[in-house]
Amino acid sequence: KQEVTQIPAALSVPEGENLVLNCSFTDSAIYNLQWFRQDPGKGLTSLLLIQSSQREQTSGRLNASLDKSSGRSTLYIAASQPGDSATYLCAVQLFDGGSNYKLTFGKGTLLTVNP
Amino acid sequence: GAVVSQHPSRVICKSGTSVKIECRSLDFQATTMFWYRQFPKQSLMLMATSNEGSKATYEQGVEKDKFLINHASLTLSTLTVTSAHPEDSSFYICSARGFGRGSYEQYFGPGTRLTVT
Repeated sequence: KQEVTQIPAALSVPEGENLVLNCSFTDSAIYNLQWFRQDPGKGLTSLLLIQSSQREQTSGRLNASLDKSSGRSTLYIAASQPGDSATYLCAVQLFDGGSNYKLTFGKGTLLTVNP
Repeated sequence: GAVVSQHPSRVICKSGTSVKIECRSLDFQATTMFWYRQFPKQSLMLMATSNEGSKATYEQGVEKDKFLINHASLTLSTLTVTSAHPEDSSFYICSARGFGRGSYEQYFGPGTRLTVT
């Protein structure tokens, strides 16, 4: 059974700092990996999707890397801003052996960026 | 990007009543829809997967008679919580995947906060 672990569970940083969020997964036979952002009481916003054949994806100040063989991904946020404060979720997608691809989520990292 | 809506955003109901939550894909046809539940400070847990026109496939431990899922069209899925109890209070999020939108990328709705009193 796939397990996804995110470290740290919570992180508080001053504005402007660069930071790294970590995600690890136990089954390397993933189809893709996604990073999401979730604001309190809200749904999920997709930030980056990395296909299993890719090693990284970039969008603005965000960069996500994937090392499939070691079961690890990192999300790098440059020049953090108070508006980046949210919970960041990592999820991996696997084929369930039946007819569907399914996402398994980590518990998330709660990020607080202090002005 | 693709848009998925949910209605209602919040609902409060009395114990023993049933509640229906709608999930719609607004600008694409969703061949597959997923329903998740999220408890406070926990991650999303998949409850069931439904393919349009077929019966939903439920995850282990999810009561299919309590959580009724209907995916009758390519743009609408509903989740009905029957005979709701306080322990069913949670945040329910739907997700959709469809043609021409990155074959296996899922798009998420804004969630529905259910409170059972």
